[in-house]
Amino acid sequence: NAGVTQTPKFRILKIGQSMTLQCAQDMNHNYMYWYRQDPGMGLKLIYYSVGAGITDKGEVPNGYNVSRSTTEDFPLRLELAAPSQTSVYFCASSDRDKNSGANVLTFGAGSRLTVL
Amino acid sequence: QQQVKQSPQSLIVQKGGISIINCAYENTAFDYFPWYQQFPGKGPALLIAIRPDVSEKKEGRFTISFNKSAKQFSLHIMDSQPGDSATYFCAASKGGTSYGKLTFGQGTILTVHP
Repeated sequence: NAGVTQTPKFRILKIGQSMTLQCAQDMNHNYMYWYRQDPGMGLKLIYYSVGAGITDKGEVPNGYNVSRSTTEDFPLRLELAAPSQTSVYFCASSDRDKNSGANVLTFGAGSRLTVL
Repeated sequence: QQQVKQSPQSLIVQKGGISIINCAYENTAFDYFPWYQQFPGKGPALLIAIRPDVSEKKEGRFTISFNKSAKQFSLHIMDSQPGDSATYFCAASKGGTSYGKLTFGQGTILTVHP
């Protein structure tokens, strides 16, 4: 059981370039999320999806786009990369916990992006 | 606006000691409070979580204490071990379909010395 798989693990971009961070989960979770982690800042939600074909903005969506054509995949697109997008990006998926009723997130290992 | 404030930023504890990490929140609509543990090079993983209808939850050496009136909650790690050395994040979310939309604290780097 692979869980949540993110690719690439590392990437260096030049200012103005574009790229897509890939995320795939094999747990048949309906909910998927993209967070970014900056030193001393915790994790901030970029975009999320409650199911195929449905996406919505999180706290810090500017400069990013997402799509959710299948339950398994949730790619994050960076257009016109800027130094402020240098960060570690985490994809997560979730399902509802039977006991608490809460959505327990399973995170991928992260993608470290540097924009120079 | 930082809706969940976490302290301290870093914590050094001797093996066998008690580690205490504190968080305070502002939004009274939050009703789910998880703690995540993150090892270097890995994604965060759920450690323990609490709902505001209880004041304490214990799982093994890990305990969450929750004070609804003060809008504060804390993580206590009893008998801390070197393997507990990691970054700990508190988080909060609203109910319903918002449960996965977590607002995280800034994180605490815990180091447990042998």
